[in-house]
Amino acid sequence: NAGVTQTPKFQVLKTGQSMTLQCAQDMNHEYMSWYRQDPGMGLRLIHYSVGAGITDQGEVPNGYNVSRSTTEDFPLRLLSAAPSQTSVYFCASRARTGGFTTNEKLFFGSGTQLSVL
Amino acid sequence: DAKTTQPNSMESNEEEPVHLPCNHSTISGTDYIHWYRQLPSQGPEYVIHGLTSNVNNRMASLAIAEDRKSSTLILHRATLRDAAVYYCILPNAGGTSYGKLTFGQGTILTVHP
Repeated sequence: NAGVTQTPKFQVLKTGQSMTLQCAQDMNHEYMSWYRQDPGMGLRLIHYSVGAGITDQGEVPNGYNVSRSTTEDFPLRLLSAAPSQTSVYFCASRARTGGFTTNEKLFFGSGTQLSVL
Repeated sequence: DAKTTQPNSMESNEEEPVHLPCNHSTISGTDYIHWYRQLPSQGPEYVIHGLTSNVNNRMASLAIAEDRKSSTLILHRATLRDAAVYYCILPNAGGTSYGKLTFGQGTILTVHP
């Protein structure tokens, strides 16, 4: 298994450009999420999904769009990049066991370092 | 989500045990307690998790208070490679926020040679 794969690893954008950060997992996980991490700060949840066709906002959703058309993929779209979106982005996934339990660990991708000039 | 509180930073010497505390006084009966760590310039990685009983794995031990309102991550012999930010989190188990998993600031662990 490859686990959680994020592409690209590095990206530089100009203000106003759009792009999509890709995230794919091959573990058949229902739950996927996106976080951003700014220097010296913890992880902040952007958007998450508990299954194909289901997405919800996290703590800092403004400026980002997501969709979940398949179990495997959860892309993060920046429609008009701003310098405030310069950050390291992490995608994460975990299984959803039967019922409402949290007895499943979270798997992270290696991150995408994004700079918006 | 149920909230967690951790010290901002802790220090240890190499080869000594480290006890990283976490308070989670609003924990519900079904919430598992998870610990993750983030090494410098890397993504977070799973360390350990548990519900009620103390848990051990090759990386660490997790001691959970009897009332479950606090827990302690134990690194039995700290190494320089254990220097990282350690996060204690409680994934939301149900309701409309099922799956929402937020991280706090974590504890920065410094290990001295």
